Amino acid sequence: KQEVTQIPAALSVPEGENLVLNCSFTDSAIYNLQWFRQDPGKGLTSLLLIQSSQREQTSGRLNASLDKSSGRSTLYIAASQPGDSATYLCAVRHDKIIFGKGTRLHILP
Amino acid sequence: EPEVTQTPSHQVTQMGQEVILRCVPISNHLYFYWYRQILGQKVEFLVSFYNNEISEKSEIFDDQFSVERPDGSNFTLKIRSTKLEDSAMYFCAKRQGTEAFFGQGTRLTVV
Repeated sequence: KQEVTQIPAALSVPEGENLVLNCSFTDSAIYNLQWFRQDPGKGLTSLLLIQSSQREQTSGRLNASLDKSSGRSTLYIAASQPGDSATYLCAVRHDKIIFGKGTRLHILP
Repeated sequence: EPEVTQTPSHQVTQMGQEVILRCVPISNHLYFYWYRQILGQKVEFLVSFYNNEISEKSEIFDDQFSVERPDGSNFTLKIRSTKLEDSAMYFCAKRQGTEAFFGQGTRLTVV
């Protein structure tokens, strides 16, 4: 049974810092991995999608990496801003999509 | 224009009542999902729906739940007799290629 774990559960950093969010999964037989952003009480916004054959994807200040064999992914956020404050969810897909519990990120102005 | 539109955005219902949550995927797709997120908990898989049939369902998706695509565009989740513990955000998603797109969710509050 696929389990997705995200560390840390919560993180507070001063504005401008670079940071890394971690995701691990137990079954490496995945088609892809997605990182989502969720604002409080809101829906899920897709940030980055990494196919199982890819090692990383970049979008603006975000960079996501995937090491499928070791069951790990990281989301790197450069030059963090207060608007980056949200919960970041990692999700892996085989047939269905399995989510981690998320990392609650707070960027201090 | 959003990829996936869900209505209503918030629904309050009395325990024991039936509710229907709606999802409009905009374009013509075959593969859909329903997920739920109880407040403060992780997003959980309920059911996947492929080519107008349920392809997989979780243990949460019991006889109280059903899904339909009644008119070829709307995609509905029905909860027959709601319980307090059904209070959650319900997300519809469609799969486009290899990527999943989620709606903004319906917040269901059972009182």
